[in-house]
Amino acid sequence: DAGVTQSPTHLIKTRGQQVTLRCSPISGHKSVSWYQQVLGQGPQFIFQYYEKEERGRGNFPDRFSARQFPNYSSELNVNALLLGDSALYLCASSWTGQNEQFFGPGTRLTVL
Amino acid sequence: KQEVTQIPAALSVPEGENLVLNCSFTDSAIYNLQWFRQDPGKGLTSLLLIQSSQREQTSGRLNASLDKSSGRSTLYIAASQPGDSATYLCAVTWGAQKLVFGQGTRLTINP
Repeated sequence: DAGVTQSPTHLIKTRGQQVTLRCSPISGHKSVSWYQQVLGQGPQFIFQYYEKEERGRGNFPDRFSARQFPNYSSELNVNALLLGDSALYLCASSWTGQNEQFFGPGTRLTVL
Repeated sequence: KQEVTQIPAALSVPEGENLVLNCSFTDSAIYNLQWFRQDPGKGLTSLLLIQSSQREQTSGRLNASLDKSSGRSTLYIAASQPGDSATYLCAVTWGAQKLVFGQGTRLTINP
């Protein structure tokens, strides 16, 4: 079975632009979470979705938004990009959100 | 505030040694604790999940223990190999569904 997939792998944007990152969970998993990892730090929680409903939101500005589709895939949108948004964005899936979390390979976002 | 700490930030040991990585957390009312491995620039690979009711979990050369009363978990790696070189992250779930991560320990196994 395929693991968690994310696209694109790498992305380069300029300040002020908008970006959309995509995630497909493991088949059967209904929960998707998004994390931001800056170099040298542990991942920081951004959002969790379960059954298309937002279940939790981390301490990130409103420029960050997300949604989950009927097939349980998810998109993370970031508007008005700042240099500080440069990071590895990780998606994790699980059955319900409180089970073992499985991570995708991440999307490396560079903001110039 | 619910926080996770991993010390040391980096560790270098010769091949073949047994080693222990440490993780501490501030609130003992955890739901579960998960250990991950991360290779440079890559995603996270789940190693072991310990539920709140469990004391330890084992997978191959890895053994993770949990002591809620002291707010600690350890990851024991037996007979270390150069391929074990990576960053090891500890993450805790409390009442909310999110994982709270430590900063990680960067492990280097020297041949």
